[in-house]
Order: sequence, then C-alpha cells, then structure tokens
Amino acid sequence: NAGVTQTPKFRILKIGQSMTLQCTQDMNHNYMYWYRQDPGMGLKLIYYSVGAGITDKGEVPNGYNVSRSTTEDFPLRLELAAPSQTSVYFCASSPISGNTIYFGEGSWLTVV
Amino acid sequence: KQEVTQIPAALSVPEGENLVLNCSFTDSAIYNLQWFRQDPGKGLTSLLLIQSSQREQTSGRLNASLDKSSGRSTLYIAASQPGDSATYLCAAHYGGSQGNLIFGKGTKLSVKP
Repeated sequence: NAGVTQTPKFRILKIGQSMTLQCTQDMNHNYMYWYRQDPGMGLKLIYYSVGAGITDKGEVPNGYNVSRSTTEDFPLRLELAAPSQTSVYFCASSPISGNTIYFGEGSWLTVV
Repeated sequence: KQEVTQIPAALSVPEGENLVLNCSFTDSAIYNLQWFRQDPGKGLTSLLLIQSSQREQTSGRLNASLDKSSGRSTLYIAASQPGDSATYLCAAHYGGSQGNLIFGKGTKLSVKP
C-alpha cells in the first residue's frame, strides 16, 4: 500500500531558486494538506485542499503556492527560496475533515 | 489562541514500565484529538483518534483518554518496549472545512532495554 508519496526526500536549494515538492495519494481522499515542521516545533499548516480544483491557505502560506488538478496530486511550489524555508515538509491526506489523517514520509529542504 | 502543549518534552524509562504521556489544549471546544507517532526521519503515523463525545480509545497496549472539561488528553502505554521509542505528538481538531490540526511539539520517548 503506497498511501501518501512525497518526492524528493532531500533537496538543497540556493537562495532565490524555485522548486516543486510532489505529493500523490492513492486512497482517493478528498482532503490533502501541506505542513512544515521546524526543529522543536509543532507542525504548521501551509495550504490545504478539499478536492480537485479547490485550495486554500493555512497558517503559514507566504512564499508557497499549490495546485490541485486531480484528486491524487497536490504539488507544493516554492518561489524564490529563502533560508527561512529550510524545514521538513509533510504532505498528508484524509477522506473528510476531522478523520484520521495519513502522512507522507517527508521532504527535507535546505536553502543556502 | 488555540494551543496544544505536551509535557515533558523528553522522557526516558526502563523497558517494561507503564507510562503516561500528557497533552493539554487551551480551547475545550475540540472536535476530536489524535495521537501520532513519529520515528526519526519518518512521517507521522496516526495511533488513536478520540472524538469529542468519547472518553477513551484503545489499541493494543495503547489507551488514550480525553477530558474536555479540563482540556487534557493522556496516552497510556502499557509494558513499554524499546520499539516504542519515538516522538509522540498530539493534535487537536477544531472542526470546520479547513480540517486543520493544532499540533503539540511532541514528547520524545526513549525506552531502555
């Protein structure tokens, strides 16, 4: 069972570069999320989607963009990378709001 | 502001001991509360989900309780094993279409053989 799959696992970016973190889920979940986790901190919601074509901002959306063209995929775009975006990024999905949430294994991003 | 706190930040116990992890939340109007396990370099795995109408949930050696009136949840681990070593996070869900979870910072558990 694949569940939630994220790529890449690790990436080093230079300041000002852009990149896309890929996320796909095979559970036919409507809800998908992007979180970031900084050392010693709880997870913070960046963006979420309640279904294909619908996205909305979470707690910390600045510097990021998302799209949801299919139920399965929810890529996260970083534009003009900054050192403050060095973090671990987690994609997650759930069938409905408030249900058990399933996480990917994370993407470690370093901006230098 | 809705906040979730987990104390202690780290805990070390000998194998076989029963232990309790604590989670407190500032806003008692939660929809549900989830407990997660995170292994180093890995994502989060949901362990238990307690609805606001429930008092506890059990899965194997794990038992999670919820007391909305006091703003507290506990995760009880019976007969701890070295394989239980991980970071345990709790997250409160306050409903709404956003589906956002408010996470605690976690308790890092180490079970010594």
